[in-house]
Amino acid sequence: DGGITQSPKYLFRKEGQNVTLSCEQNLNHDAMYWYRQDPGQGLRLIYYSQIVNDFQKGDIAEGYSVSREKKESFPLTVTSAQKNPTAFYLCASRDTILRGYTFGSGTRLTVV
Amino acid sequence: AQSVTQLDSHVSVSEGTPVLLRCNYSSSYSPSLFWYVQHPNKGLQLLLKYTSAATLVKGINGFEAEFKKSETSFHLTKPSAHMSDAAEYFCVVTASTGTASKLTFGTGTRLQVTL
Repeated sequence: DGGITQSPKYLFRKEGQNVTLSCEQNLNHDAMYWYRQDPGQGLRLIYYSQIVNDFQKGDIAEGYSVSREKKESFPLTVTSAQKNPTAFYLCASRDTILRGYTFGSGTRLTVV
Repeated sequence: AQSVTQLDSHVSVSEGTPVLLRCNYSSSYSPSLFWYVQHPNKGLQLLLKYTSAATLVKGINGFEAEFKKSETSFHLTKPSAHMSDAAEYFCVVTASTGTASKLTFGTGTRLQVTL
């Protein structure tokens, strides 16, 4: 079955450490997205990528970085510069022809 | 610019009674509108979408929504709630400009279903 895999499901990080969240898709979608979800705030766009080797900042990119070296993969690094990283992170991909979005099951990051 | 307002942060209904989750939107372009459902610690599942075809859109699990341009609304309804419908629901708008297409999410409505 095609889909998006996010790993790990739960992640704990010490303050001051960088951590990378994985997102892999086998849907052959060109566009991929990272969203952050906080209680009562819906989802906010961190970064997105429309093609390999290209990505753009979303609404809350500060303290985050991404890469898109392969079509299937769009990892997100939460750096020590992110002041409040504890959140639920969702990755999505988009079929640019049918305009359908598929979401992963998310990674819950907790800073301890 | 585009935005979404979900008018209720929390809705509680009894099992077997109708569900109404309200959503208003604004968009500078012809919008596409979606409703997604999220169960705790899970990803988002698409319930239904409007993309300028029929204004009454039927989705999965008995949900439907009506696009009303004059009211800039896209309310989600279901005739009879089931316990398994308890979840968080997001109204989403997107408007493609060129090749870019970004989703703008509402803040969510938590649906509680009681016996």
